Amino acid sequence: GDSVTQMEGPVTLSEEAFLTINCTYTATGYPSLFWYVQYPGEGLQLLLKATKADDKGSNKGFEATYRKETTSFHLEKGSVQVSDSAVYFCALRSGANSKLTFGKGITLSVRP
Amino acid sequence: DVKVTQSSRYLVKRTGEKVFLECVQDMDHENMFWYRQDPGLGLRLIYFSYDVKMKEKGDIPEGYSVSREKKERFSLILESASTNQTSMYLCASDRGRGNEKLFFGSGTQLSVL
Repeated sequence: GDSVTQMEGPVTLSEEAFLTINCTYTATGYPSLFWYVQYPGEGLQLLLKATKADDKGSNKGFEATYRKETTSFHLEKGSVQVSDSAVYFCALRSGANSKLTFGKGITLSVRP
Repeated sequence: DVKVTQSSRYLVKRTGEKVFLECVQDMDHENMFWYRQDPGLGLRLIYFSYDVKMKEKGDIPEGYSVSREKKERFSLILESASTNQTSMYLCASDRGRGNEKLFFGSGTQLSVL
């Protein structure tokens, strides 16, 4: 079945540091890939997505590239801010009415 | 903006009680989902529904049931609550047309004592 593996956390960075959060996946077919973010006390919201190989999703300074050859979708940001402190989930979806499969999530804390 | 509303933010129940968690979406979405979120385990799918009166088991349906009598409302039912069902419950919905993003509610933190 489909699965998503995220790097272990938590991650603590200083403001303006470079961020990479690793995500790899296993899926049948050609899934769409997503990063969701959960700010404290809130539900999840979509951060970015990519629907086919070599696509790059981007939003709020975050980027992730769909790499079919390495089955990866790593999240990056060049300069993190305190307001980026949140839980980040990598996820995949294999079809229109299929479920979204999530990784375990990773907590990012950015200190001033 | 799409709104997914969960009826309670916090809920405290006793072991053995029947518990109803309600979720309503206001954008005529076809698909609705119930997840539970636990530290170190991420989000796990309990049940989902493609249409009114339709339901499908997710990865962890044991101890739960669902009801979708109207398109906008998807209820999660704990027939006899147990302490291992203490968790954050998240409802989500989407239009069901291709690989759409999910819209999530703010969650219900359920404590079973």
